[in-house]
Amino acid sequence: GAVVSQHPSRVICKSGTSVKIECRSLDFQATTMFWYRQFPKQSLMLMATSNEGSKATYEQGVEKDKFLINHASLTLSTLTVTSAHPEDSSFYICSARGTSSLETQYFGPGTRLLVL
Amino acid sequence: GQNIDQPTEMTATEGAIVQINCTYQTSGFNGLFWYQQHAGEAPTFLSYNVLDGLEEKGRFSSFLSRSKGYSYLLLKELQMKDSASYLCASMDSNYQLIWGAGTKLIIKP
Repeated sequence: GAVVSQHPSRVICKSGTSVKIECRSLDFQATTMFWYRQFPKQSLMLMATSNEGSKATYEQGVEKDKFLINHASLTLSTLTVTSAHPEDSSFYICSARGTSSLETQYFGPGTRLLVL
Repeated sequence: GQNIDQPTEMTATEGAIVQINCTYQTSGFNGLFWYQQHAGEAPTFLSYNVLDGLEEKGRFSSFLSRSKGYSYLLLKELQMKDSASYLCASMDSNYQLIWGAGTKLIIKP
């Protein structure tokens, strides 16, 4: 099956710094990428949907100036958590969808962010 | 509104069978997904149903009734490694996944 990678897998940062998370589709062109956040013992929460070459669509309640998403190519999307605070500590997961099947999303392994 | 309901937690015995139920209400419907998620890891795809009926895949089977807005995941011959959270997700008319909160399955020896 298709492979999606995320980098880094784990990051610890100080409060007030910015953190960039990369999501790459390794063997297919991802026209759409999704960014999720998951708090402990809770389900996935969709943060935003990004289409290559256009601005991301953010879900209600997600601050677009705080969570910057760039989908610059068909294989790379980045999520930057700006001025991170301890409450941003979470598990961030991306998924990617190609053109062949709108029903299929391939998930990355996730990035665990801890803000001190 | 959109809503996915599934039990919070279930316990079963190794070697037994367990059925995890899910009811859904979404704006449009493009299929029902089941994912497995181990603690600290991303979800992994288990099954996809878009037509009514039972889909069998090894020890795991998934059932869908569109008229009832109902699905279940059936796990047979349970193994300790099946201890995980099982997420039900419905895909809406925009091909967006609407997620349930997940069912934590605890397997006891």
